[in-house]
Amino acid sequence: GAGVSQSPRYKVAKRGQDVALRCDPISGHVSLFWYQQALGQGPEFLTYFQNEAQLDKSGLPSDRFFAERPEGSVSTLKIQRTQQEDSAVYLCASSLEGLQTREAFFGQGTRLTVV
Amino acid sequence: AQSVAQPEDQVNVAEGNPLTVKCTYSVSGNPYLFWYVQYPNRGLQFLLKYITGDNLVKGSYGFEAEFNKSQTSFHLKKPSALVSDSALYFCAVRDIDYNKLIFGAGTRLAVHP
Repeated sequence: GAGVSQSPRYKVAKRGQDVALRCDPISGHVSLFWYQQALGQGPEFLTYFQNEAQLDKSGLPSDRFFAERPEGSVSTLKIQRTQQEDSAVYLCASSLEGLQTREAFFGQGTRLTVV
Repeated sequence: AQSVAQPEDQVNVAEGNPLTVKCTYSVSGNPYLFWYVQYPNRGLQFLLKYITGDNLVKGSYGFEAEFNKSQTSFHLKKPSALVSDSALYFCAVRDIDYNKLIFGAGTRLAVHP
C-alpha cells in the first residue's frame, strides 16, 4: 500500500484479556518502530526492528508486551493480560533505512481502551 | 541522554499571521531533528527534518524550521498561518546511540479566522 497500515483502528479489551495489534509497513522499508501515545502526551518508543531482527526493545513497559516481525514485513504487537494503564494509542512507523538518513512514516494508530 | 522540549502547550495565532512553534533539544554529538504534525484521529505526518547542511530547512505545507546550534533550538515557522494548520505539532530528535526518535510533549496550534 501507499502508507503504513494498522489494524484494528479501535480495540476495546476487558482487563485481563490478550490483544494483538497489526502493522503493515510501507513495502521495502527495513526499519519498523512501535510507539505508545498516551492521551495528551508525545509518542513514547516501545521497540525497533531492522528487517526481522528486534534490535531494541528497551521501551516495552513490561514482560506482558511482546512484538514480532517474523518475515521482515508485517509486525504484531501483543499485550497479554491487559491492564487499564495500557489504554493508549499504539503507533507503528516504518523507514526505508535507518533514521540517520531517512524519516519515519507513521500509521494512523490503534486506539486501545481497556475496561 | 537525548531530549527535546516544547515549552508551549498551545500557540494561538490569527489566520494570515506568521506562526512559530518552539523546540529546544539536548543531544551529545550532531543532532538529527524532525517535526511531525498530528491531525485529529490521524497518525503523525512528517513535515521536515534537519540532518546537516543549511540551517533553514523547508518542508511540507509551507512550513520551515530554523536550526540554531548556539541556542540548541529548532523552531518551526510559517510566514502566513491557515486555519487548516490547526493541529498538534511534535518535535523529535534521533537518539544518537539507538535508531529511534525521542518526541517532545507536543504543542497544540490553534489558528483563528
